[in-house]
Amino acid sequence: EAQVTQNPRYLITVTGKKLTVTCSQNMNHEYMSWYRQDPGLGLRQIYYSMNVEVTDKGDVPEGYKVSRKEKRNFPLILESPSPNQTSLYFCASSLSWAQVQPQHFGDGTRLSIL
Amino acid sequence: GQNIDQPTEMTATEGAIVQINCTYQTSGFNGLFWYQQHAGEAPTFLSYNVLDGLEEKGRFSSFLSRSKGYSYLLLKELQMKDSASYLCAAPLRGSTLGRLYFGRGTQLTVWP
Repeated sequence: EAQVTQNPRYLITVTGKKLTVTCSQNMNHEYMSWYRQDPGLGLRQIYYSMNVEVTDKGDVPEGYKVSRKEKRNFPLILESPSPNQTSLYFCASSLSWAQVQPQHFGDGTRLSIL
Repeated sequence: GQNIDQPTEMTATEGAIVQINCTYQTSGFNGLFWYQQHAGEAPTFLSYNVLDGLEEKGRFSSFLSRSKGYSYLLLKELQMKDSASYLCAAPLRGSTLGRLYFGRGTQLTVWP
């Protein structure tokens, strides 16, 4: 089954404790992206990747890091999480950006930073 | 700040027709997407317009006017299960290739 898989689905943690949210897709998609969704603000792009080893900042990259060492994986790293990073996070992928294909979203990761 | 505007909330009754509008700033245009998002779930793709005009897909249609920076999503024969948030998304004027902006979403409530 074609899917985007995020882990964990839920996480409660404390300020400053490094965490990684994994994202994996099995569709051989070139383009991957991370979003956060907050009430009243909608979906905002954090980082995106056009292909392996190519990543770039989105609208709200501060406090986050990403890597794209393999095509299928695009982990989101919070080196020193803070309470303002409490949010619902979505990973998404699409075939490529050049062809502007619709994005497939993972089920989301709800992060609470205390 | 947000460069895509859509109404925050709309209500309608079962069986009715509703139109959800979206205005945006044009970019080197690569199209506009509509997604549906039920509460607590991931967004799912509804439609994609890259040329002017109406694209019809069953009960859902989407319209685009590139010159006006305007799109709408038309939902016909509304059902209770259509209660959801509807998001429009597009690359915007001056944005770097790969950047995608979403509107804040329109929360549609369908009443019996």
